[in-house]
Amino acid sequence: DSGVTQTPKHLITATGQRVTLRCSPRSGDLSVYWYQQSLDQGLQFLIQYYNGEERAKGNILERFSAQQFPDLHSELNLSSLELGDSALYFCASSVPDGYTGANVLTFGAGSRLTVL
Amino acid sequence: GQNIDQPTEMTATEGAIVQINCTYQTSGFNGLFWYQQHAGEAPTFLSYNVLDGLEEKGRFSSFLSRSKGYSYLLLKELQMKDSASYLCAATYTGGGNKLTFGTGTQLKVEL
Repeated sequence: DSGVTQTPKHLITATGQRVTLRCSPRSGDLSVYWYQQSLDQGLQFLIQYYNGEERAKGNILERFSAQQFPDLHSELNLSSLELGDSALYFCASSVPDGYTGANVLTFGAGSRLTVL
Repeated sequence: GQNIDQPTEMTATEGAIVQINCTYQTSGFNGLFWYQQHAGEAPTFLSYNVLDGLEEKGRFSSFLSRSKGYSYLLLKELQMKDSASYLCAATYTGGGNKLTFGTGTQLKVEL
């Protein structure tokens, strides 16, 4: 258990709909990163929040938005869904690694979105 | 961009050694990570290199050459459970702890 919690695990919806994915980082960790993983692509960085503030933005579509709340959980909102949005969506926290000293991204189990 | 390139697929035999290579853009480069990902699961951290040289961690070792923009992950005494995708990822200046990933190398371990 990475300590990063994501819900729901699976979600099936139709084109044009809107969904919300939720992430709770490890206790005490202020950062949240969102990644998208499609079948034909690697992990694509979407957006990062730190203590409620947007810190970095990647290849996130305008139809997608995110926020981090005062309790540090984060939500990723996906709207006007298209077939191509079907993917695994991962949330991660940045955790110091005791062996290397590096800040290591630790991922949640992911939310699998299927758009029909 | 910050292209990270690695082979798409590799096959190796149980008990053998396999080396998975990765090249990355050197401009602004900070550090290099390797992750393992089993199908449908979350990536899990394997190793981190920031200085040139080899870092050994049990059956897994990782090497970095900053000047060449090159890294490899070495897996020894392969086991069937090592069948997975291996992701090379880098951090860059100004990106904080954000990881830029390659598309991954799917390793199949056969008997």
